Amino acid sequence: GQQVMQIPQYQHVQEGEDFTTYCNSSTTLSNIQWYKQRPGGHPVFLIQLVKSGEVKKQKRLTFQFGEAKKNSSLHITATQTTDVGTYFCAGGFGNEKLTFGTGTRLTIIP
Amino acid sequence: NAGVTQTPKFQVLKTGQSMTLQCAQDMNHNSMYWYRQDPGMGLRLIYYSASEGTTDKGEVPNGYNVSRLNKREFSLRLESAAPSQTSVYFCASSVVRPNTGELFFGEGSRLTVL
Repeated sequence: GQQVMQIPQYQHVQEGEDFTTYCNSSTTLSNIQWYKQRPGGHPVFLIQLVKSGEVKKQKRLTFQFGEAKKNSSLHITATQTTDVGTYFCAGGFGNEKLTFGTGTRLTIIP
Repeated sequence: NAGVTQTPKFQVLKTGQSMTLQCAQDMNHNSMYWYRQDPGMGLRLIYYSASEGTTDKGEVPNGYNVSRLNKREFSLRLESAAPSQTSVYFCASSVVRPNTGELFFGEGSRLTVL
């Protein structure tokens, strides 16, 4: 089936530590998107990756798309309290649908 | 710029009651979607409309119906609400066809079915 697995489900880090969340699919993805949802809010688009091996950076955030286009990661360097929220990946399978991962909830310990 | 607007924001229903969630976007987007979000389940697609005049089932369509009223509006109807439909519902839209572009989400509608 077209499932996207995301780990970990929860991550608690000290402020200033790094954070990484991973997404995996058993089948090749056409693209992958990342979203952030603040507590009580709605998902907000962060980025889309399309090419095999693609790496994109947004300030302290680094996004990677695997060579086989079956996995992706989001890495945050030196977390800040503003990074709190749930991070979702969403995989495209070329059939007009995006399948969301279950999300990683990041909490920051000041 | 309103973006994607959903109403109502909160609703409590009794089992068996019906209701319609309304969604409108002012960005001239072609595609619109309804998702539900449950703890530990992520976002699951209920129905989507790739363009005005078309609708298609997503992962969890049972118990729901949709109407793409025009390019701006996409409504979700629960004909006979069940406790399993207690959830947060998000409407979203995108410029291009599904799966290829950024999704813009509304603020969500929290539904409780007793």
